[in-house]
Amino acid sequence: DAEITQSPRHKITETGRQVTLACHQTWNHNNMFWYRQDLGHGLRLIHYSYGVQDTNKGEVSDGYSVSRSNTEDLPLTLESAASSQTSVYFCASSEVPREGNTQYFGPGTRLTVL
Amino acid sequence: QQQVKQSPQSLIVQKGGISIINCAYENTAFDYFPWYQQFPGKGPALLIAIRPDVSEKKEGRFTISFNKSAKQFSLHIMDSQPGDSATYFCAATYQGGSEKLVFGKGTKLTVNP
Repeated sequence: DAEITQSPRHKITETGRQVTLACHQTWNHNNMFWYRQDLGHGLRLIHYSYGVQDTNKGEVSDGYSVSRSNTEDLPLTLESAASSQTSVYFCASSEVPREGNTQYFGPGTRLTVL
Repeated sequence: QQQVKQSPQSLIVQKGGISIINCAYENTAFDYFPWYQQFPGKGPALLIAIRPDVSEKKEGRFTISFNKSAKQFSLHIMDSQPGDSATYFCAATYQGGSEKLVFGKGTKLTVNP
């Protein structure tokens, strides 16, 4: 079955380190998204991509970057981790909708920055 | 600027009761309104969605009511069960919005047995 996976599921790092979170989907979807989820803020969009070599900034993109070298993967990099980036990160994918805009979410990565 | 406002933040209902979660939006260009359900430790998953050309959509015990003039929509869970305990997010998007969803802040629903 098609799916979307994230790794690692849990990560503890130190302030200032570079961290990369992986996202892999097997639906062959063109659209991929990264969100962070924090209590009281819901889901906030970090970056998104509509296809290979395409990346766009979301509402909370500062301190994060993404690259899209193939259809299946959209890794999220924290250039220099900060304590404010402690959060749960979700990756999602979707296809150009025939009916609605269903985004399929991964299981999440819980990141702690000490 | 928060474009989708969701209330309440948390909700406790008894088994068999009706759970009601409300959302209001600002952007009149929105034309697709999904609800996502998230269980602890899991990613959100699409529960039910509606377009503004209908006022209500029902799937099993879950119903979306939509009021275009008031720019409001709500999720009703009939005969709520403990297994419905989860966080619910409303969202909105629009054609030309490049598939981006704008989410509400979520409602944590607890259904007591």
